Amino acid sequence: ETGVTQTPRHLVMGMTNKKSLKCEQHLGHNAMYWYKQSAKKPLELMFVYNFKEQTENNSVPSRFSPECPNSSHLFLHLHTLQPEDSALYLCASSQDPGGGSPLHFGNGTRLTVT
Amino acid sequence: GQQLNQSPQSMFIQEGEDVSMNCTSSSIFNTWLWYKQDPGEGPVLLIALYKAGELTSNGRLTAQFGITRKDSFLNISASIPSDVGIYFCAGQLNTGNQFYFGTGTSLTVIP
Repeated sequence: ETGVTQTPRHLVMGMTNKKSLKCEQHLGHNAMYWYKQSAKKPLELMFVYNFKEQTENNSVPSRFSPECPNSSHLFLHLHTLQPEDSALYLCASSQDPGGGSPLHFGNGTRLTVT
Repeated sequence: GQQLNQSPQSMFIQEGEDVSMNCTSSSIFNTWLWYKQDPGEGPVLLIALYKAGELTSNGRLTAQFGITRKDSFLNISASIPSDVGIYFCAGQLNTGNQFYFGTGTSLTVIP
């Protein structure tokens, strides 16, 4: 499924770097999400945006900073990350954030913090 | 947060065999979703369930929304090598918008 596109696919960064992850959805959805996927753990919700307004911040450290300029684009700005932040970061979209609208995921950005 | 217990954690089966996996919770859910994730890719939606007792099929896949609304099941019939991957359940509570995910069932199909 290419409805949700994430770039880059892989990213290696040092702890003092600043980088950004990008997500674009072509499904006409109103809600966008960032999830973190670590080995052996359930997907962890990080942020939810509905009509480009942030509706949920799941106690995410401030070194992760989301930005949603419109309903089709979502960014995750990264700075001074820690090695334990290495994971697969998944972007998703849905028609709306409630009512059981299924999530549609991108292929993720594999992040390694050195 | 809510905990979804997904089992089994992993399965190794012969091609052609049927597969069953399930997801349970102590909470009541309004929606159950089942996803499959291939290596290096994001989860892909397989089946969505919205009513207790609902039984829905997608090709060789069949999923059920448990009567108690605290569990869901996924069955794969006549498995083939391309069924290999990790299968996740996800549930949404009556209150709130968040989907909670299970830890996944890793499926290996031996030709």
